[in-house]
Amino acid sequence: KNQVEQSPQSLIILEGKNCTLQCNYTVSPFSNLRWYKQDTGRGPVSLTIMTFSENTKSNGRYTATLDADTKQSSLHITASQLSDSASYICVVSDRGSTLGRLYFGRGTQLTVWP
Amino acid sequence: EADIYQTPRYLVIGTGKKITLECSQTMGHDKMYWYQQDPGMELHLIHYSYGVNSTEKGDLSSESTVSRIRTEHFPLTLESARPSHTSQYLCASSEGQGGAYEQYFGPGTRLTVT
Repeated sequence: KNQVEQSPQSLIILEGKNCTLQCNYTVSPFSNLRWYKQDTGRGPVSLTIMTFSENTKSNGRYTATLDADTKQSSLHITASQLSDSASYICVVSDRGSTLGRLYFGRGTQLTVWP
Repeated sequence: EADIYQTPRYLVIGTGKKITLECSQTMGHDKMYWYQQDPGMELHLIHYSYGVNSTEKGDLSSESTVSRIRTEHFPLTLESARPSHTSQYLCASSEGQGGAYEQYFGPGTRLTVT
């Protein structure tokens, strides 16, 4: 069964600190993996996209890694800011269907305290 | 920021009422989607469209219906709202089909049925 599991479910850190969010997936055949940021009351916004051959991709203070062999990804946030408080969702797509099915994780709720 | 809009943003309505959630995008995307999201849970695809006059049901069974008469407009209708329909509804669009194409999300409609 194709699944996306994220950990931790929630995380509280102090402003300026770093943190790492985890994503494990069983989706096959794999197409790509995206990390989305969803602010409270808003729709998700894509942060990074990684394909099978990519190990690392950065977007400002966000760095995503992908290990396609172990089917694991992480999102590292450096020097956190209050505006980083949001839910971070890992989304994996397959290439086994015409629609390009997306599998969503439940997200990690990050809270940054001043 | 994506040019995809949803109205209303919040709706509280009584059981048995008919409601229509509006979704519009100005990007000229052929592919559009409706997702349902409960707090702390993953997004579930309930409807999608490949283009004008095309509508398909998603993975999660829903009593709602959709229509696609114009490229930019993808409204969702509930003929008779029930408390079980209380949820957040997110509309999205993409340029192409498949996970390689980013889905751009609207801000969502939070529906409460009393």
